[in-house]
Amino acid sequence: TQLLEQSPQFLSIQEGENLTVYCNSSSVFSSLQWYRQEPGEGPVLLVTVVTGGEVKKLKRLTFQFGDARKDSSLHITAAQPGDTGLYLCAKEGRRDDKIIFGKGTRLHILP
Amino acid sequence: DAGVTQSPTHLIKTRGQQVTLRCSPKSGHDTVSWYQQALGQGPQFIFQYYEEEERQRGNFPDRFSGHQFPNYSSELNVNALLLGDSALYLCASSLPGQVVNYGYTFGSGTRLTVV
Repeated sequence: TQLLEQSPQFLSIQEGENLTVYCNSSSVFSSLQWYRQEPGEGPVLLVTVVTGGEVKKLKRLTFQFGDARKDSSLHITAAQPGDTGLYLCAKEGRRDDKIIFGKGTRLHILP
Repeated sequence: DAGVTQSPTHLIKTRGQQVTLRCSPKSGHDTVSWYQQALGQGPQFIFQYYEEEERQRGNFPDRFSGHQFPNYSSELNVNALLLGDSALYLCASSLPGQVVNYGYTFGSGTRLTVV
């Protein structure tokens, strides 16, 4: 059972455009992580957000954690073909180190 | 510094057969988690091993079993393979209590095809 809803499921845009993808849950997160997975590879951690309202930037990527800690967004500015991949949000279990993933947003940047 | 290594990279099996997948964690990591990723889906948690014991298990049948060795490497075994077991199997390693800060380190996976 996937407890995290990610939207959109697919996104294909031109190089240079901006985009935002979302991760939502009905329950509160203690923390939330974003991973990127490229074809033929395992997911790679991009960022962890912990505090409600927190904003973290990683070059052209901006991650925001909702005030109520039930949702998060990833905004990419001036997308490049190298941003192509599957973007996964993930939450850690409350009492353990198990990570649960959403289904992901598959992003394709057209040159 | 070697990351997580998985073998084999690709595997084709016949329905009803058994398969063993192998994983060596990142140096210094002692916890290994296994995930199944079907095409177009996010990774689904199978189980986690720590100190050579299964610490947690996801919603997978008993046909899926595992083992962790004293050197922290791990195996995933799947018996009586079904067509629906075709997927990318990912191994991830971590340090206990450090997942929030550092996340999991994943291998590149084993692509299993059941025919």
